[in-house]
Amino acid sequence: GAVVSQHPSRVICKSGTSVKIECRSLDFQATTMFWYRQFPKQSLMLMATSNEGSKATYEQGVEKDKFLINHASLTLSTLTVTSAHPEDSSFYICSAKTPGGETQYFGPGTRLLVL
Amino acid sequence: AQSVTQLDSQVPVFEEAPVELRCNYSSSVSVYLFWYVQYPNQGLQLLLKYLSGSTLVKGINGFEAEFNKSQTSFHLRKPSVHISDTAEYFCAVRKAGSNYKLTFGKGTLLTVNP
Repeated sequence: GAVVSQHPSRVICKSGTSVKIECRSLDFQATTMFWYRQFPKQSLMLMATSNEGSKATYEQGVEKDKFLINHASLTLSTLTVTSAHPEDSSFYICSAKTPGGETQYFGPGTRLLVL
Repeated sequence: AQSVTQLDSQVPVFEEAPVELRCNYSSSVSVYLFWYVQYPNQGLQLLLKYLSGSTLVKGINGFEAEFNKSQTSFHLRKPSVHISDTAEYFCAVRKAGSNYKLTFGKGTLLTVNP
């Protein structure tokens, strides 16, 4: 149980284009999902917390207009990197929490490369 | 705010040897503690967690960790490692209660050699 999927697993795009990453909880309802960014050989940095049906809460320093988060249902959250630039290249990982649960379950990650 | 320090960035060991990955945290409030493992190009998998109760926590794959409040530590141990345990290990902390934000350490790369 508690499986989280991400799609796509890997994406390459041109600078200036937008990329959407999906995060799905497959066997549970996730009222809260989290988006992280991980640079090579670094730890995970929380970008934003996404609550179903409400606006995401962004961490300090994260541009909400650049990283658009939508949590339209209890099993799906999306992260859209708008007007992507090479510095946005990174590993993006989502996690989901069950209602009343204490544990975050992580997706397999999406590697974004912006050329 | 909480912080996590993983003292060793890399730990090389031989197969079947014991291993300890160190984690210290800093917090002014009660915390929950977690260990996650990340295999190359994959997401994170929960190894074990401490929320309350017994300070010795057993997890998957033969790992265990002990919560030591006086030393603010949550070291991860395994008595005998396998080649397949080679991965990055992250210690994480969050404030007990309704705030679910995790703070991660920088990770420890465990390399198990034959």
